[in-house]
Amino acid sequence: DAGITQSPRYKITETGRQVTLMCHQTWSHSYMFWYRQDLGHGLRLIYYSAAADITDKGEVPDGYVVSRSKTENFPLTLESATRSQTSVYFCAARGTGGEGYEQYFGPGTRLTVT
Amino acid sequence: GENVEQHPSTLSVQEGDSAVIKCTYSDSASNYFPWYKQELGKRPQLIIDIRSNVGEKKDQRIAVTLNKTAKHFSLHITETQPEDSAVYFCAASNPGTASKLTFGTGTRLQVTL
Repeated sequence: DAGITQSPRYKITETGRQVTLMCHQTWSHSYMFWYRQDLGHGLRLIYYSAAADITDKGEVPDGYVVSRSKTENFPLTLESATRSQTSVYFCAARGTGGEGYEQYFGPGTRLTVT
Repeated sequence: GENVEQHPSTLSVQEGDSAVIKCTYSDSASNYFPWYKQELGKRPQLIIDIRSNVGEKKDQRIAVTLNKTAKHFSLHITETQPEDSAVYFCAASNPGTASKLTFGTGTRLQVTL
């Protein structure tokens, strides 16, 4: 689990501002994911990436943008933050094939939009 | 898409008793079913998983069973201890959808002394 980190760990921002959450992995796993966690909703997938320069929408992508220019990094950007995006955001990574089904999470970023 | 339902939402057991959490899934093509434990303020941690070619898997005090016909799987914790108190999430994935995990809404387990 120490192989995947997120920054910042806590962030307070104002409505309308752009904010970027960073995710970095040291394993070189192909797949990376962004989830948001809200009370009563569990973990919901925002975006995922199968490899560098390959990204796709998850269950709740509206208001978010991702990029993946390098295998190890997968930043999530809120282009114009809204109060409804106040949440805990988790990044995750997993490999492919063999034992690669196992998915590991980063420590999370708690985002508050005021 | 896949839909995973998880029950109960809260569960309270006495130390030493067993706890069972159940999940159902909708997509018959799903073939991988992990369970995560999340302590307060921490990240979800993988505790056990099972693949569709296996009916049961055990790791010390925890076990998972899978019924493919009924499309449900369960987490069993025996001899519960206070440190088992946490939120547990089940999930399912379908290899045809990049093996994305679809999560249940979680079960808050409280182990009382």
